[in-house]
Amino acid sequence: SQQGEEDPQALSIQEGENATMNCSYKTSINNLQWYRQNSGRGLVHLILIRSNEREKHSGRLRVTLDTSKKSSSLLITASRAADTASYFCAFYNQGGKLIFGQGTELSVKP
Amino acid sequence: DSGVTQTPKHLITATGQRVTLRCSPRSGDLSVYWYQQSLDQGLQFLIQYYNGEERAKGNILERFSAQQFPDLHSELNLSSLELGDSALYFCASSPRLAHYEQYFGPGTRLTVT
Repeated sequence: SQQGEEDPQALSIQEGENATMNCSYKTSINNLQWYRQNSGRGLVHLILIRSNEREKHSGRLRVTLDTSKKSSSLLITASRAADTASYFCAFYNQGGKLIFGQGTELSVKP
Repeated sequence: DSGVTQTPKHLITATGQRVTLRCSPRSGDLSVYWYQQSLDQGLQFLIQYYNGEERAKGNILERFSAQQFPDLHSELNLSSLELGDSALYFCASSPRLAHYEQYFGPGTRLTVT
């Protein structure tokens, strides 16, 4: 399958804790992206990491990319109830189509 | 707010009917993408237009078609609707052809009864 695989499928944590989500893919990529989706809403682009980058930060988000293992992780530090959402990794396949993983459903309890 | 607008927000229609979903991309974005999101299939790419021309096709059924107009807005036409077409349909836009972040609209929730 061309889809990215994300793990875990669901994650439940308390406010203030860190949340880590992982994504694996099978193709060569130029970049890997992470998106957030609140229930029933549109996806929001969070961060893009290029294939020649290993780590990138944006506020409380930290993304790593290991192209040798074809994997990426998204870390949300000091989580808040408002971070409750589904998180998707995405990458362009060789046909130029953006392929999404199945997502990790994050629940942050106050 | 991503700057991408989609209408309508909700559509309820019967099997066999035809509907049109509309999308206006962010100002200046030339690429428009359509996606279908359902519980069993996840988020599936349907089709991409760039500056009025079809550029990539995904898992789009023959009953579905799309176009992008000179003002860059796009429409997705769904015909002979089946119960299984019930889903969220998203439009996204990006400045150029590929390998960039995409900006998603709020989606149209289609319910086929």
